[in-house]
Amino acid sequence: AQKITQTQPGMFVQEKEAVTLDCTYDTSDPSYGLFWYKQPSSGEMIFLIYQGSYDQQNATEGRYSLNFQKARKSANLVISASQLGDSAMYFCAMRSVAYSGAGSYQLTFGKGTKLSVIP
Amino acid sequence: NAGVTQTPKFQVLKTGQSMTLQCAQDMNHNSMYWYRQDPGMGLRLIYYSASEGTTDKGEVPNGYNVSRLNKREFSLRLESAAPSQTSVYFCASRGPEQYEQYFGPGTRLTVT
Repeated sequence: AQKITQTQPGMFVQEKEAVTLDCTYDTSDPSYGLFWYKQPSSGEMIFLIYQGSYDQQNATEGRYSLNFQKARKSANLVISASQLGDSAMYFCAMRSVAYSGAGSYQLTFGKGTKLSVIP
Repeated sequence: NAGVTQTPKFQVLKTGQSMTLQCAQDMNHNSMYWYRQDPGMGLRLIYYSASEGTTDKGEVPNGYNVSRLNKREFSLRLESAAPSQTSVYFCASRGPEQYEQYFGPGTRLTVT
């Protein structure tokens, strides 16, 4: 079974500083993918970044980068130059083959980390 | 493009009542999903549909049924609502060549 662990229920960061949100995972699938989603107080889920298990380089999207350490089974999100608008819940998720093997991917989510950016 | 839309945004039910949550996407995606989000639990998969005409159970399917009406629409039905089904429900869709899922705005359901 797939499992995602986010050990930081809440984090604080000073505006313009960098912050790392931790994510560890457990899977027996040889092929998988890791995602990060942002959920602001308005409630929508916003896709941030994706890393495939066979990707050689760490994924980057603007101020977001994913620090992927396969041997340690970790996929930490790094946000550089934090902004007030970064205050939100952040969810790590893992792509896996569907339970029934029907060929559809599913996402398993962690419990999230609440990030607060301080002016 | 509206992306993924969900109706209603809010709903209050009494125990035992039934209702259907509607979801539609205009991105021509094959795969669609229903999740529930409870405080401190993250999102959990209820049901999914890999393509039109197919549906499968996810992690927490008990008490729910789904219908993939056509390629655009995927509905979630509560036949006899229970307080344990109080939650925020998200619909999502994914294209055939994509990994990321696109989420709707959510439906906040309260069962009293």
